[in-house]
Amino acid sequence: DAGVIQSPRHEVTEMGQEVTLRCKPISGHNSLFWYRQTMMRGLELLIYFNNNVPIDDSGMPEDRFSAKMPNASFSTLKIQPSEPRDSAVYFCASSWTNYMNTEAFFGQGTRLTVV
Amino acid sequence: RKEVEQDPGPFNVPEGATVAFNCTYSNSASQSFFWYRQDCRKEPKLLMSVYSSGNEDGRFTAQLNRASQYISLLIRDSKLSDSATYLCVVNQAAGNKLTFGGGTRVLVKP
Repeated sequence: DAGVIQSPRHEVTEMGQEVTLRCKPISGHNSLFWYRQTMMRGLELLIYFNNNVPIDDSGMPEDRFSAKMPNASFSTLKIQPSEPRDSAVYFCASSWTNYMNTEAFFGQGTRLTVV
Repeated sequence: RKEVEQDPGPFNVPEGATVAFNCTYSNSASQSFFWYRQDCRKEPKLLMSVYSSGNEDGRFTAQLNRASQYISLLIRDSKLSDSATYLCVVNQAAGNKLTFGGGTRVLVKP
């Protein structure tokens, strides 16, 4: 298995532009997570999906952020418009979840820089 | 109070020594607990799950104390390659929400 695949690996964009991050979870996994990591705030859960349905988006910073999971093999996180404070590493993770076992496997992350 | 709290460190550890650190969690209904390891500029990876009875994996020992709501990780015979950030992860009881602590940085020195 190729693991969780994220693209792009690096993104540099200008303030005000739209940014779309992509994630392909591990085949067969039923949960998908988007995290953001910064030095100041550590790893923050933005949103997670279970069986393609958003379960908890309380971590999404504001309306500029949106996430979709149109099918079991693809998810996007979009920032529109982007701001310099959005600069961070964004991780996608997936897991097979029953009521207890929730080991999450992470992608390599997308390093976003907004200038 | 943060849901999951860790001492950020760094813990400077001589090679071969033992180091231990804790993580506290606020939700008493939390079900599952994990330790992840993250190397610089890499993604987090599962180190070990934490079971109620405590568990050991080679040089690593994890403990859970539900009464005091903390988990611990102990590393024996530290190796240079153990230098990393160790993330405590708690699965909230409702749904499948994995919450990470801020991480404890460990630096093993010759």
